Order: sequence, then structure tokens, then C-alpha cells
Amino acid sequence: KAGVTQTPRYLIKTRGQQVTLSCSPISGHRSVSWYQQTPGQGLQFLFEYFSETQRNKGNFPGRFSGRQFSNSRSEMNVSTLELGDSALYLCASSLGQGASPLHFGNGTRLTVT
Amino acid sequence: AQSVTQLGSHVSVSEGALVLLRCNYSSSVPPYLFWYVQYPNQGLQLLLKYTSAATLVKGINGFEAEFKKSETSFHLTKPSAHMSDAAEYFCAVREETSGSRLTFGEGTQLTVNP
Repeated sequence: KAGVTQTPRYLIKTRGQQVTLSCSPISGHRSVSWYQQTPGQGLQFLFEYFSETQRNKGNFPGRFSGRQFSNSRSEMNVSTLELGDSALYLCASSLGQGASPLHFGNGTRLTVT
Repeated sequence: AQSVTQLGSHVSVSEGALVLLRCNYSSSVPPYLFWYVQYPNQGLQLLLKYTSAATLVKGINGFEAEFKKSETSFHLTKPSAHMSDAAEYFCAVREETSGSRLTFGEGTQLTVNP
């Protein structure tokens, strides 16, 4: 099975712009979660989608949003970028039930200048 | 609210020595526990998971972890370190009522010296 695929791998944006990141989960996985990883804050949960519905949301401002499509692919959008949004954004997929573990993609490295 | 504490942000061992990475959790209900490893410029890879079936859990690459409810701990061990084990390790907890949401510890950077 193919793993979790995130595109693009690297992105450079200017403050004030918006950005969309994409994630293709493992086939058969209905849950997609997004995490932000920074040296200062570590791994922070953004949100989780399950069968196209947001099931969980972390403590991030409304500038961070996401969605999931009927094929389970997910996108994450950040509007009005700030310098502090520079981070590695990780997507993870799972079956979404019981003890099913998260399987992570290699992430999108976003740099905001 | 659940939380995870990893004692020691940096651990250094010699090749062939025992690896011990510490993880303590707080959770109001019996949780699911996970250890992940992250190599530079990559995502997180699952090492092992605890799901209450057995307190000693064996994972990939020779790692194992023991769940101790009385100590609320889930420490990761490997009898003999290899150079390729150098990476960052994350402990994570998930409660059954929180969907797939994981709460991660701060991470422990493992260095293996020749």
C-alpha cells in the first residue's frame, strides 16, 4: 500500500498570503489529522476529519481551516500568513477507530518570509 | 486533560549500550499509548503501541516498552543501541473518547556515539 502523501514538500510564502496544503491518505483510511511541528511548540494538533466531517479541533485561530473530500483526501488552508506560521505541517491518516495508529506523511515545510 | 512528559530532551548513549527513553502520561481513563520515531526531514514512524492487551509491547527495530499503570509510565527501551537509532523519539497518548487525536510529548533526541 502507498503511504500518506503530502504535497508540496516545501513552500515559501510571504506574510499576508494564503496557502493550501494537500494530503492523500492511505487507501481505506477515513480519518485524516493535521499537526503543526515547530522547535518551540513541538507537535500541536490542528484538526481531524473523519468521513468529510471535522471530528476534533485544536487550539488554533480561525485562519487555519481544513476539509476532507469524499475520497478521504484532505486539504489544509492557512490564510493571512504570519511569520510564526513557519513550521513543518504533518498529515496523518488512520482507520479512525479503536487503537488504530496514525500513519504520517513526510510533511510540508512552510516558510513564511 | 491528557498530557505526556518525556524526561530528558537529549539522551546520549554509546553504540551497543542500553537505550532508555522515559515517558510519563496523565490521563483520566486508561489510554492508548504510542511511540514514534522521526528521522531528519521525514514524518513520524510508528515504533509500537499499547492497547491494554499486554503490558510489555514489542515494536520494530528491536524496541520495546512496558506499560506501568501504577507509575503512569510507558518507557521505551532497546538492549543494544545502533548508530541508525539516532533520531528524535516521541511518546503520545490518546484517550478512547478523543477520536484519533494524539497528544505528544516534547520529544527526546537520541544520539548514539561510536
